[in-house]
Amino acid sequence: GDSVTQMEGPVTLSEEAFLTINCTYTATGYPSLFWYVQYPGEGLQLLLKATKADDKGSNKGFEATYRKETTSFHLEKGSVQVSDSAVYFCALRGMNNAGNMLTFGGGTRLMVKP
Amino acid sequence: GAVVSQHPSWVICKSGTSVKIECRSLDFQATTMFWYRQFPKQSLMLMATSNEGSKATYEQGVEKDKFLINHASLTLSTLTVTSAHPEDSSFYICSARALAGSTDTQYFGPGTRLTVL
Repeated sequence: GDSVTQMEGPVTLSEEAFLTINCTYTATGYPSLFWYVQYPGEGLQLLLKATKADDKGSNKGFEATYRKETTSFHLEKGSVQVSDSAVYFCALRGMNNAGNMLTFGGGTRLMVKP
Repeated sequence: GAVVSQHPSWVICKSGTSVKIECRSLDFQATTMFWYRQFPKQSLMLMATSNEGSKATYEQGVEKDKFLINHASLTLSTLTVTSAHPEDSSFYICSARALAGSTDTQYFGPGTRLTVL
């Protein structure tokens, strides 16, 4: 079945540091890929998405490129801020489910220190 | 953007009682809603998929008689935790998908924290 693997956290960075959170997936065909962010005490918010190979999703300075050849969708940001501290979830929506369900990775907690 | 609300945002109940959680899509109609459960410091686990006007589809290992799901309209789905026990304490999150032909993104509610004493 479909699965998503992302690096375990927590990831602790200083403000303005470069961020990479790795995400790889297993799925048949061409899934859509997503990054969601969960701030403390809140629900998930869509951060960015990509629906086909080589697409780059971007939002709020975050980027991720859909790499079919490496089955990856790594999240990057050039300069993190304290306000980026949150848990980040990589997810995919496979092609073979009528219900459009999402499969999530385990989440990566990011802590940014001033 | 699309907004999904949940009510209540938190609830504390005694063991053996039932708790109902509502999930509403505020500015769009959702043919499909999903219910997730999130344990502390863990990812979301899909519990069930709910389609308007039909029975919910439960994931393996989820007790359908314990977690009752009703999707009576295109803007409302409810999850009732029956005879709750302390092990049911968790963060429950719903999401909603817009009608076909519109965005294919799921929009998530803010979650409901359930604590069973």
